[in-house]
Amino acid sequence: EPEVTQTPSHQVTQMGQEVILRCVPISNHLYFYWYRQILGQKVEFLVSFYNNEISEKSEIFDDQFSVERPDGSNFTLKIRSTKLEDSAMYFCASSGGPGQASSGNTIYFGEGSWLTVV
Amino acid sequence: AQSVTQPDIHITVSEGASLELRCNYSYGATPYLFWYVQSPGQGLQLLLKYFSGDTLVQGIKGFEAEFKRSQSSFNLRKPSVHWSDAAEYFCAVDGRAAGNKLTFGGGTRVLVKP
Repeated sequence: EPEVTQTPSHQVTQMGQEVILRCVPISNHLYFYWYRQILGQKVEFLVSFYNNEISEKSEIFDDQFSVERPDGSNFTLKIRSTKLEDSAMYFCASSGGPGQASSGNTIYFGEGSWLTVV
Repeated sequence: AQSVTQPDIHITVSEGASLELRCNYSYGATPYLFWYVQSPGQGLQLLLKYFSGDTLVQGIKGFEAEFKRSQSSFNLRKPSVHWSDAAEYFCAVDGRAAGNKLTFGGGTRVLVKP
């Protein structure tokens, strides 16, 4: 079964450093997402991306965050200057193939990238 | 604003016993509904989903869920729990707006006693 893959699985970084989390979505999917889960809390939506631009973002997704699809297969989340409170599991997800509507599709999640900011 | 509530934070069940996890949502229209499972250190795996039609949906690993419009609920059930079902279970709602954005409940952690 096709899957979403994420790297790295774990990363420890110092406060103020830049971090890039990488994702390879399912190959024919057109909609891409980042979610995060702070330890012990709910999974929260960060951003959705379609047709090479952000389609929606949450209030968490401030100017420190950016997303990019640098080529036909990767989807990245960059945190420009990490803060302690950015420590969380970050999930990449994808949905919706060609011909499918923009809503009502199953969202497939990767295994997550644990980010620890020290 | 749409919200998803999972009233039980922890549930402990004996192996072989039945399991029911509760999920209530608050939204103006019937959303798309999902249950995901997260095993320790793992990602989110889709168990099942409800979009329309038959209100009892079957999923993987022997799970099923029933959509009840009158109660705004989408409870997950399994008749006989296995030790490998110990995990955290998340109910999620897609409000049918463009973009497949999911709102998650707080999760229910299931512990299975031998």
